[in-house]
Amino acid sequence: AQKVTQAQTEISVVEKEDVTLDCVYETRDTTYYLFWYKQPPSGELVFLIRRNSFDEQNEISGRYSWNFQKSTSSFNFTITASQVVDSAVYFCALSAFHWDTGNQFYFGTGTSLTVIP
Amino acid sequence: EAQVTQNPRYLITVTGKKLTVTCSQNMNHEYMSWYRQDPGLGLRQIYYSMNVEVTDKGDVPEGYKVSRKEKRNFPLILESPSPNQTSLYFCASSSLGPSDYEQYFGPGTRLTVT
Repeated sequence: AQKVTQAQTEISVVEKEDVTLDCVYETRDTTYYLFWYKQPPSGELVFLIRRNSFDEQNEISGRYSWNFQKSTSSFNFTITASQVVDSAVYFCALSAFHWDTGNQFYFGTGTSLTVIP
Repeated sequence: EAQVTQNPRYLITVTGKKLTVTCSQNMNHEYMSWYRQDPGLGLRQIYYSMNVEVTDKGDVPEGYKVSRKEKRNFPLILESPSPNQTSLYFCASSSLGPSDYEQYFGPGTRLTVT
């Protein structure tokens, strides 16, 4: 069974602090994708990153970085020097393709990040 | 521009009054889904479709219907809405296959059933 766990329900940080959002997943598939989405207060879902299961290289995009570790089934997301605009709910998701069910996505319950000015 | 559109964006209705939320994508995607988002529960899949006339239940299908008569459209139907269907709904689409896919989401429909 596929499962994504985001144990941190809510996090508050002061502006300019670094913050890490945790994501742990379970899957029996050997080929799968991991995603992070941002949901600002306006409600839309904004795609941040996709990582396939064969690529364990960490990725950095500006103030955002992602750490993928298959050994611990984790795909953590770090925001460096947080800003008020980073305040949002962040979702981690897992997806794998199967011929009978297609490209199923499984979402964590989300982490609500508040950045205090 | 590649996009998924949903209408309406906001809807307030009463218990038992049938409603349809439309979803359309312009990317020729085979795979389409409906999700509902509730506080503390994340996004849960309601129904999905792998192609025209092919639909199947997701994790929370009770009280919902869908149809896929055209590739681009995937409407969500609530025949007799109840207050527990008050939620934020997302339609999504993606290509179908094992490689390099991404799910595109619509802007969301905020439904309130009184």
